[in-house]
Amino acid sequence: AQKVTQAQTEISVVEKEDVTLDCVYETRDTTYYLFWYKQPPSGELVFLIRRNSFDEQNEISGRYSWNFQKSTSSFNFTITASQVVDSAVYFCALSGGTNAGKSTFGDGTTLTVKP
Amino acid sequence: EAGVVQSPRYKIIEKKQPVAFWCNPISGHNTLYWYLQNLGQGPELLIRYENEEAVDDSQLPKDRFSAERLKGVDSTLKIQPAELGDSAVYLCASSQAARGYNEQFFGPGTRLTVL
Repeated sequence: AQKVTQAQTEISVVEKEDVTLDCVYETRDTTYYLFWYKQPPSGELVFLIRRNSFDEQNEISGRYSWNFQKSTSSFNFTITASQVVDSAVYFCALSGGTNAGKSTFGDGTTLTVKP
Repeated sequence: EAGVVQSPRYKIIEKKQPVAFWCNPISGHNTLYWYLQNLGQGPELLIRYENEEAVDDSQLPKDRFSAERLKGVDSTLKIQPAELGDSAVYLCASSQAARGYNEQFFGPGTRLTVL
């Protein structure tokens, strides 16, 4: 069975601080995909990034960066110089393997960025 | 390009009443998902369609929930009769194909309150 754990329920930072959201996953599959989604107060989940199990390269997109480490089964997300607009719930998700079309989501981390 | 459309956005009903939610996915997306999201939790899959076929409905409480996607485009999720515990946000999502690497595009959700 697949499982995604986001141990941080809520994080509060002050604008311009860096913040890292943790994601730990469990799977027996050798091929799998990891995702991060953002859910702003409006409620619509928005896709941020995808990583496959064979690509451990870290990725940077503007103020966002992702650190994928298979050795620790982690896929952490860092926001540099946070802004108020980054306030949202962030979900990590896992899919692939024998039930490729099904995604397992973590319970999310609520990030509040204060001005 | 239009996103995933859901209606209604909010619904308040009394227990034992029926309720229906509608979803229109992104044009060309063959795979459609219905999720349940409780407060403070991640989305949980209820049912997944590939075109008209329900390929994963293992988490759908079939005694009271039903869904259809007759022409492989839009879909309806129904609850009859509703119970207090059904109060939640019902999310619809779509993707190009049910491959593990495809990101999902979410609608704004329907917030159901059962009194």
